[in-house]
Amino acid sequence: KAGVTQTPRYLIKTRGQQVTLSCSPISGHRSVSWYQQTPGQGLQFLFEYFSETQRNKGNFPGRFSGRQFSNSRSEMNVSTLELGDSALYLCASSLGQGMNTEAFFGQGTRLTVV
Amino acid sequence: DQQVKQNSPSLSVQEGRISILNCDYTNSMFDYFLWYKKYPAEGPTFLISISSIKDKNEDGRFTVFLNKSAKHLSLHIVPSQPGDSAVYFCAANAFLIQGAQKLVFGQGTRLTINP
Repeated sequence: KAGVTQTPRYLIKTRGQQVTLSCSPISGHRSVSWYQQTPGQGLQFLFEYFSETQRNKGNFPGRFSGRQFSNSRSEMNVSTLELGDSALYLCASSLGQGMNTEAFFGQGTRLTVV
Repeated sequence: DQQVKQNSPSLSVQEGRISILNCDYTNSMFDYFLWYKKYPAEGPTFLISISSIKDKNEDGRFTVFLNKSAKHLSLHIVPSQPGDSAVYFCAANAFLIQGAQKLVFGQGTRLTINP
């Protein structure tokens, strides 16, 4: 069974640009959530999508957005990049229904803003 | 506002001994807890979880204990092996919507297993 796949693995962007990251969940999983990891703030929740709808949202500015497609694949977009957006972006997939559903993470996308 | 806290940034244990990693939380709405192991530049690997209706869950060498009244959980690894050296994260979820994911993570504990 394939795990969670994130592309690309590494990305370098210039301040002010925008970026799109992609996540393919485990087959059968309908929930995709996104997290940002930085040395100073640790792992922080961005948002969660389930059945193409945003179900939960963290405390990030509107420059961070996402969407989910009918096949459960998800994309995350960051517009007007700032130096502080440099981080490891992680995607997690889970069944999304019922109790006690574990979240499984992808390898992450390392974004560097210069 | 740190809702999930791992107060020990690092822990060093001898191979074969027990490793105990601790985690405290403040939000009484949390009802599901998970432990992850992480290597640098990789995604966290799920280890074990526990629902708030239980006080213990075992999976092989890993056991998680939950003390709801103290808002405290711990991960026991017995026996510790060199491959266990990694950063361990405690995470909590509140099922405001059943099945919804909004994990709140602790800051992590770096575990080093010495031969």
